[in-house]
Amino acid sequence: GQQVMQIPQYQHVQEGEDFTTYCNSSTTLSNIQWYKQRPGGHPVFLIQLVKSGEVKKQKRLTFQFGEAKKNSSLHITATQTTDVGTYFCADLGSSNTGKLIFGQGTTLQVKP
Amino acid sequence: SQTIHQWPATLVQPVGSPLSLECTVEGTSNPNLYWYRQAAGRGLQLLFYSVGIGQISSEVPQNLSASRPQDRQFILSSKKLLLSDSGFYLCAWSALTYEQYFGPGTRLTVT
Repeated sequence: GQQVMQIPQYQHVQEGEDFTTYCNSSTTLSNIQWYKQRPGGHPVFLIQLVKSGEVKKQKRLTFQFGEAKKNSSLHITATQTTDVGTYFCADLGSSNTGKLIFGQGTTLQVKP
Repeated sequence: SQTIHQWPATLVQPVGSPLSLECTVEGTSNPNLYWYRQAAGRGLQLLFYSVGIGQISSEVPQNLSASRPQDRQFILSSKKLLLSDSGFYLCAWSALTYEQYFGPGTRLTVT
C-alpha cells in the first residue's frame, strides 16, 4: 500500500535557526495535510495543500506541495522554543472515508 | 463550534481486564470518526474508522473493537487487555474538507 515517508526523524536546532521537514511518497499524493503535536498533547491540524506546486504561509511556517505531487515540505524560519513538537504530514487516502495516511513524523527540539 | 471529548484522560489497567474508551463530538452532524493509537515517541496508527452509525471499518486486526451507537459517539473496547495495548489512544473527527480534529487522548498503561 501507499507509504508516506518523512525525513528527518529528529532535528535539534538552536533557537533562531531554520528548520525543514520533508514528506515523500512513491505514488502521487492526492491532498497533503500537516499537523503539529506538542509534547504530551494531541495532533493539531495546521494546513492542507491540494494543488500541484502550491505554497502556503502561516507566519514563520511555509508549506509547499511539489510540482509532481509526490512530495511536500514544511519550513520554519527562525525557530522559537514554541515550535518544539512533532510535525506530521498526511495524505488523504480516500475522500469517501477521509482516511489519512500519516508519515512517521519529524520531532523538532529547539535549544534556547 | 465543534468540540471533541475523550475520557478518561489516563487509565491504568491490569492485563486481562476489559476496556471501554468513549469519544463524543459536539457541534457537527454525521462526522467521520477515527480511533488511532500512538506508541511512545512513534507515529499514529489508525485502528478503526466510521462513516456512519453502526458502520465500523477495522484497519489492523487486533485485540480491540469499536462501535458507533449514536451519530456523534464512538467507543473503543477490549474484552481482555494485553500488555501491547498500552499507548496513547486518540479519537478524531473529520470535516467536509477532510482535515481531522483530534480529542485530548487517553493514556492507557496495561500492567
